[in-house]
Amino acid sequence: SQTIHQWPATLVQPVGSPLSLECTVEGTSNPNLYWYRQAAGRGLQLLFYSVGIGQISSEVPQNLSASRPQDRQFILSSKKLLLSDSGFYLCAWDSVSGNTIYFGEGSWLTVV
Amino acid sequence: SQQGEEDPQALSIQEGENATMNCSYKTSINNLQWYRQNSGRGLVHLILIRSNEREKHSGRLRVTLDTSKKSSSLLITASRAADTASYFCALGGGGADGLTFGKGTHLIIQP
Repeated sequence: SQTIHQWPATLVQPVGSPLSLECTVEGTSNPNLYWYRQAAGRGLQLLFYSVGIGQISSEVPQNLSASRPQDRQFILSSKKLLLSDSGFYLCAWDSVSGNTIYFGEGSWLTVV
Repeated sequence: SQQGEEDPQALSIQEGENATMNCSYKTSINNLQWYRQNSGRGLVHLILIRSNEREKHSGRLRVTLDTSKKSSSLLITASRAADTASYFCALGGGGADGLTFGKGTHLIIQP
């Protein structure tokens, strides 16, 4: 069966520091991969999606970037965090032919 | 992009009662999905209903879809404390669009 792992689960980072959140999917090949952000009391905002290695599309301009160095690995990064980057970040995947998206357990980021 | 809007924003009921939450949207859809999110956790897929379906069941869950009214409802029967969570409707599909989510309905089941 397919599983998705996301880490770290929580982190507290100072303003201006770098960020790296990692996500891997097991049990499937060539998945679509997504990064979402959920701010407190709000819905989910799609940040990035990827349909293949090295193929990244961004939905909103921001201080963050994403990379897909391997088929089942998706990384969310920032060179310099802002206070507004705080939130709950969720990695997700679906199959090329599927409609249902499956989520990781999320990463809580607090920028102080 | 299309986005659903859940109603009510918050709902508190007694254990054993039924909980109903609604989702309205504005564009045509191929399908609509419902997800649950326990506090501080990832989202869990509950059910997908296609545009040519009117009702779908899964255990204690019943989802209806009225494409003429552009609305869907999620009914949880015989609620349990473990049903306390936020519930989201999601529109769209995979690939470029991803799924778009509303702000959710926060359901609290009182023991």
